[in-house]
Amino acid sequence: AQKITQTQPGMFVQEKEAVTLDCTYDTSDPSYGLFWYKQPSSGEMIFLIYQGSYDQQNATEGRYSLNFQKARKSANLVISASQLGDSAMYFCAMREGTGGGNKLTFGTGTQLKVEL
Amino acid sequence: DAGVIQSPRHEVTEMGQEVTLRCKPISGHDYLFWYRQTMMRGLELLIYFNNNVPIDDSGMPEDRFSAKMPNASFSTLKIQPSEPRDSAVYFCASSQPGLNEKLFFGSGTQLSVL
Repeated sequence: AQKITQTQPGMFVQEKEAVTLDCTYDTSDPSYGLFWYKQPSSGEMIFLIYQGSYDQQNATEGRYSLNFQKARKSANLVISASQLGDSAMYFCAMREGTGGGNKLTFGTGTQLKVEL
Repeated sequence: DAGVIQSPRHEVTEMGQEVTLRCKPISGHDYLFWYRQTMMRGLELLIYFNNNVPIDDSGMPEDRFSAKMPNASFSTLKIQPSEPRDSAVYFCASSQPGLNEKLFFGSGTQLSVL
């Protein structure tokens, strides 16, 4: 079974609008972490946001927020006020347990295109 | 800090040749990871080290792949002999648990095996 599922291979959004990128996860470990990374066409992996399984509040980082629904095992990324520079591939990832130095399992990614 | 440094950025080689990819993690990070990215398989973990010791190499595809970390500031991933199906982007990443809870990635090495 897939540990991280991203069901949207591609998404389009108009500039200045908000967009939600979906991510569901599967783990039986009570302690885990969820991450989102951005990969622009230049190829580097850029950390965006982190949510711990015990965190009471949804994580936010500037225009990025993580809609964490623990019972549904979902960790959707919300980007507000989209910009052209947000066009990129977005990966959801999970760390299980507290060891492993943040060994991450990645989803297949969602290609986001921001249009004028 | 300069971040995670990988070399070379691009490597083109012929089938059967030995390929060595290099990585310098961020100073002070105890963990080092090697990931491979392909269109078919996405991002997959090959191996990771803690304090220079390999902890989990279950993702290494076969015996042609080997990785070493002789000291805290240097790691190599070697493919011998290389095959066309090894063509991919290879990322090195490092982390220090408890410090912002994230992996820091290098720029990757684009490997093409002809």
